[in-house]
Amino acid sequence: DAKTTQPTSMDCAEGRAANLPCNHSTISGNEYVYWYRQIHSQGPQYIIHGLKNNETNEMASLIITEDRKSSTLILPHATLRDTAVYYCIVRPGGYSGGSNYKLTFGKGTLLTVNP
Amino acid sequence: KAGVTQTPRYLIKTRGQQVTLSCSPISGHRSVSWYQQTPGQGLQFLFEYFSETQRNKGNFPGRFSGRQFSNSRSEMNVSTLELGDSALYLCASKPDILGNTIYFGEGSWLTVV
Repeated sequence: DAKTTQPTSMDCAEGRAANLPCNHSTISGNEYVYWYRQIHSQGPQYIIHGLKNNETNEMASLIITEDRKSSTLILPHATLRDTAVYYCIVRPGGYSGGSNYKLTFGKGTLLTVNP
Repeated sequence: KAGVTQTPRYLIKTRGQQVTLSCSPISGHRSVSWYQQTPGQGLQFLFEYFSETQRNKGNFPGRFSGRQFSNSRSEMNVSTLELGDSALYLCASKPDILGNTIYFGEGSWLTVV
């Protein structure tokens, strides 16, 4: 999987949009950008993924730059319950053999939503 | 629909004992993976099962084993527990062996004393 770079931590005020950046300059053409988050003491939660077009679901929006070297996860109205470590990873959209069957997290970004 | 369900959520075992953890995948999902997560090592892949067969295996000793049943439910077992086995054990499922979007359960917190 391509390497990603995320800030170690970020703060956001409750009710405001949280914009979490991720750099993935070595992403390959067949690799998707995935976002997961992990709230303290809980299992990782899938948020969203995308290839090159912007994506939106009930949890968040994903903005991928045209060159696909970076992306931003947007939580439109952050709440205290969104305080978590957010992981950005890139991996093939489909199974392509090798070691792609396993998920690897980096250090992620600790997002703290403040009241 | 219900998510991935893991039991028990918390357990404490003594060194040398063995433990069995259970996982029910999302309804309709047939691939189940197990991960170990610790502060020091992060997320580490244990094994993946599909159609009751182990398809992939991580770099863990033979004390770690698993199985999958015909209803896709899975169990993992750790024998001769060591202090270093203390961790959050995560089960994840996806619809089939293909595809890379996996969904995790809440995990089982194992403490070995």
